[in-house]
Amino acid sequence: QQQVKQSPQSLIVQKGGIPIINCAYENTAFDYFPWYQQFPGKGPALLIAIRPDVSEKKEGRFTISFNKSAKQFSLHIMDSQPGDSATYFCAASNMDSNYQLIWGAGTKLIIKP
Amino acid sequence: NAGVTQTPKFRILKIGQSMTLQCTQDMNHNYMYWYRQDPGMGLKLIYYSVGAGITDKGEVPNGYNVSRSTTEDFPLRLELAAPSQTSVYFCASSYGTGGEAFFGQGTRLTVV
Repeated sequence: QQQVKQSPQSLIVQKGGIPIINCAYENTAFDYFPWYQQFPGKGPALLIAIRPDVSEKKEGRFTISFNKSAKQFSLHIMDSQPGDSATYFCAASNMDSNYQLIWGAGTKLIIKP
Repeated sequence: NAGVTQTPKFRILKIGQSMTLQCTQDMNHNYMYWYRQDPGMGLKLIYYSVGAGITDKGEVPNGYNVSRSTTEDFPLRLELAAPSQTSVYFCASSYGTGGEAFFGQGTRLTVV
């Protein structure tokens, strides 16, 4: 019940395309859903996060869509650029677990020029 | 602003050896974490701390120990290294619960 399932494992998109990465969870008590971006040789860095009181959040070219009833959330990258090539992790947490993040397995995204 | 600093960046250990991975943060964060990252497996929480003198086990604590004597430092100790501990280790910190976690650059550890 504590798992976060992320798909796909890897994704290749042409520049300008809209990659979509999906995550699903089971614990309905989760109330914080961040996305982290990791470049090779670096630690993950927070990209964008959402709480379940909204269905969508945009920050620049990055959008989180949240479907509470389906227990799913996804990351969309508009007008993708080669510099967006990285590994993306979704995560979830809640107060009951002292906000320990439960991580998805990651998606390696490659944006082709 | 240095953020979260981890040392060393790389290390090769022989089976049975011990070592300490160092982690320091200069953001006055109460919460600190140690994760390991294995290919295709995401991040697994090893130990975490909610403040100086307080530590608790995460998902995969076996074979590791931690201490938190100051707000800034959160070292991770590996006793009797095993090949299964070959991984990339990340230290992270956050101001409080439910907020952004800041990560160090990682330590790539190989046990042979």
